[in-house]
Amino acid sequence: QQQVKQSPQSLIVQKGGISIINCAYENTAFDYFPWYQQFPGKGPALLIAIRPDVSEKKEGRFTISFNKSAKQFSLHIMDSQPGDSATYFCAASRGYSSASKIIFGSGTRLSIRP
Amino acid sequence: EPEVTQTPSHQVTQMGQEVILRCVPISNHLYFYWYRQILGQKVEFLVSFYNNEISEKSEIFDDQFSVERPDGSNFTLKIRSTKLEDSAMYFCASSEADGKPNTEAFFGQGTRLTVV
Repeated sequence: QQQVKQSPQSLIVQKGGISIINCAYENTAFDYFPWYQQFPGKGPALLIAIRPDVSEKKEGRFTISFNKSAKQFSLHIMDSQPGDSATYFCAASRGYSSASKIIFGSGTRLSIRP
Repeated sequence: EPEVTQTPSHQVTQMGQEVILRCVPISNHLYFYWYRQILGQKVEFLVSFYNNEISEKSEIFDDQFSVERPDGSNFTLKIRSTKLEDSAMYFCASSEADGKPNTEAFFGQGTRLTVV
């Protein structure tokens, strides 16, 4: 029940295309859903996050779509750029922030082809 | 920009040896965490620490593991007798507050532990 399931494992997208990564959770006690971006040799960095009282959050080219009834959420990267090539983790936590125990998904390795 | 710093960046140790991984959290942060990431796998929570006590720990954090804040700046993870399966990237994180809205945990760059 603590798991966050993420797909796909890897994704190749052409420059300018839309990258979509999907996640699902089981524990309805989760109330904060962050996405992390990780470059090789670096720690995870918070990219964007959403709370379950909204269905969508957009920051620049990054959008989270959240479906509370289906217990699913997804990250959309519009106009994908080579600099977006990284591993992306969805996650979930309780307490409306990432400043608590974070349950990570398994990660998606995104490659943007020039 | 303040950041969480970890040392060493890479540690190689023999099986059965003790290792100490070190972290300097962001200076005004009060909550500290350790996570680990086995190569190619997801990031897993190990332990959270506040006010010189463990707040929460995972099943991974067994008696071989301990954490300590030996002084006002460092936060350490000790593995008493390392096993091959302890080989992973270990991330330290810190936050101003635990579970308060709009607070964020910041991660260090990690220590790659290789047990041979």
